[in-house]
Amino acid sequence: AQTVTQSQPEMSVQEAETVTLSCTYDTSESNYYLFWYKQPPSRQMILVIRQEAYKQQNATENRFSVNFQKAAKSFSLKISDSQLGDTAMYFCAFMKHGSGNTGKLIFGQGTTLQVKP
Amino acid sequence: GAVVSQHPSRVICKSGTSVKIECRSLDFQATTMFWYRQFPKQSLMLMATSNEGSKATYEQGVEKDKFLINHASLTLSTLTVTSAHPEDSSFYICSAKNADSLRNQPQHFGDGTRLSIL
Repeated sequence: AQTVTQSQPEMSVQEAETVTLSCTYDTSESNYYLFWYKQPPSRQMILVIRQEAYKQQNATENRFSVNFQKAAKSFSLKISDSQLGDTAMYFCAFMKHGSGNTGKLIFGQGTTLQVKP
Repeated sequence: GAVVSQHPSRVICKSGTSVKIECRSLDFQATTMFWYRQFPKQSLMLMATSNEGSKATYEQGVEKDKFLINHASLTLSTLTVTSAHPEDSSFYICSAKNADSLRNQPQHFGDGTRLSIL
């Protein structure tokens, strides 16, 4: 069975600074997808970034980038130039790849990020 | 982009009432939908996987008779909380997987339903 662990329940960062949220996972699968979702106070789930495990290059989306270390089973999210609107709960998630994939997401416990003015 | 509509957004009702929550994919067909429950400041807990035209697959510990799921069409799944009690109060979120997209596209989430049982 797959597990996803986010060891930082809460974090804070000053506006315009950079922050890194950590995520580790455990799986015996060789091919899979990893995601970071953002859940602001409105509680809407917003996809921030995704990474295919077979790609060595780290994914980036504007101010958001990941550090994907497959051997270490680590998938951290870096937010650069933090903005007040980045205040939210962030979830790391795992999804199997391939014909056996039902689309089921395995979520981590979440990290609450507070961006301070 | 893909849109999933969840209704109602907020429900307050008396103990013993049954509550139905709808999840609709507005611009795509979804053979698979997922129902999650989320307590404050906690992660999303998958309750069940809803499959169009067949029985839902429930996660361990989730009562099938308590949380009835129906997925009668490719665009609609419903979750009915039967004889709801205060301990069923929670935030319920649905998501849908696009049947026409590549198999490994992520789910699209509804905006959630806040259920409060008095």
